[in-house]
Amino acid sequence: DTGVSQNPRHKITKRGQNVTFRCDPISEHNRLYWYRQTLGQGPEFLTYFQNEAQLEKSRLLSDRFSAERPKGSFSTLEIQRTEQGDSAMYLCASSLERLGRMNTEAFFGQGTRLTVV
Amino acid sequence: SQQGEEDPQALSIQEGENATMNCSYKTSINNLQWYRQNSGRGLVHLILIRSNEREKHSGRLRVTLDTSKKSSSLLITASRAADTASYFCATPKPAGNKLTFGGGTRVLVKP
Repeated sequence: DTGVSQNPRHKITKRGQNVTFRCDPISEHNRLYWYRQTLGQGPEFLTYFQNEAQLEKSRLLSDRFSAERPKGSFSTLEIQRTEQGDSAMYLCASSLERLGRMNTEAFFGQGTRLTVV
Repeated sequence: SQQGEEDPQALSIQEGENATMNCSYKTSINNLQWYRQNSGRGLVHLILIRSNEREKHSGRLRVTLDTSKKSSSLLITASRAADTASYFCATPKPAGNKLTFGGGTRVLVKP
């Protein structure tokens, strides 16, 4: 399977614990995005990377959230001191952006569903 | 408020019928994209329509774009039970290609 892979698929954690999610994008894709989706809503943008550089972070990304893409391949999203409000589906997407061809389609992973109890 | 807003929020139809949903957006766009999401799963890209296109087809899907009204529609013809899902429109920001999604239309196709 050469699609976007996310692990774990589900995570239940106690409030106050730290969690880390992993995303493996499609291998040749240079852009990687993280989104958060709560029940009944559309996904909301959190942050994105161009290769290993984190180029933008949403205001939704509080200082308890940190994302990395150390070698421009896989990415991790860590949430420290989780709160019940962090319960959501965390979606990763990747795309291939080329000069002169903007805004191509994004390929999404299956998501990681986080439940904070 | 969201850049893309879908209408209706929910739709229930019989298998074989057509399903139409609409999306409105606020700012100018390079393209508009439609995605499908089955319950609890990731999003699947359906179709991308560029701002200089008015209509696009892909299999049983037909998408229209009216940039003067800042709206798009997605038509699913001859629906099947497997089309049961949530459908989202999304518009990318010019810089970064990050997508802004609407709240989605939940489609139920009854066999």
